[in-house]
Amino acid sequence: DSGVTQTPKHLITATGQRVTLRCSPRSGDLSVYWYQQSLDQGLQFLIQYYNGEERAKGNILERFSAQQFPDLHSELNLSSLELGDSALYFCASSDPRDYTFGSGTRLTVV
Amino acid sequence: GENVEQHPSTLSVQEGDSAVIKCTYSDSASNYFPWYKQELGKGPQLIIDIRSNVGEKKDQRIAVTLNKTAKHFSLHITETQPEDSAVYFCAASRGGGGSQGNLIFGKGTKLSVKP
Repeated sequence: DSGVTQTPKHLITATGQRVTLRCSPRSGDLSVYWYQQSLDQGLQFLIQYYNGEERAKGNILERFSAQQFPDLHSELNLSSLELGDSALYFCASSDPRDYTFGSGTRLTVV
Repeated sequence: GENVEQHPSTLSVQEGDSAVIKCTYSDSASNYFPWYKQELGKGPQLIIDIRSNVGEKKDQRIAVTLNKTAKHFSLHITETQPEDSAVYFCAASRGGGGSQGNLIFGKGTKLSVKP
């Protein structure tokens, strides 16, 4: 157990729908990161939050948004879903020493 | 922006042989270089990391070397075993101020160790 908890583990939804992925960081970590992993793109950085504030943005689509709450858990919201959004979505958290990843949410858009 | 290139994309070795995976990075401000192992259906797991003030680090059969001048770092696995078979990712980030920067990943190397 890495200490980073992601729910749900699997999600199947239809095109055009909206889903929310949840992440609880390792205890004490203030930074949360979201990554998308698809077969042909590797691990792509989406967005980082640090202690409730957005810190950095990567290749995140406008249809996607995220937030980090006062208890430090984070949610990634994906809307107007397309077939190409099917992927593994990972959350990671970090302290000044290292990063640790959750086991991911597998999203399938049908 | 930062770019990390990783080679080779696939690597097949015989059990007991060594495996070497190489990465280059573009951002000279990067100061943290971890390596992750990802098994099927699981999240990336940190296997070793190195910071910019160190040239080499070793942990049992795994070692990492860093050449800051060339912006190049490598993973070395000796005496490979079938359970080493997985996808390996290198990454780079800037740190500091109590917050790590985001990790930029290479595209991964699929390592197969044949018994």
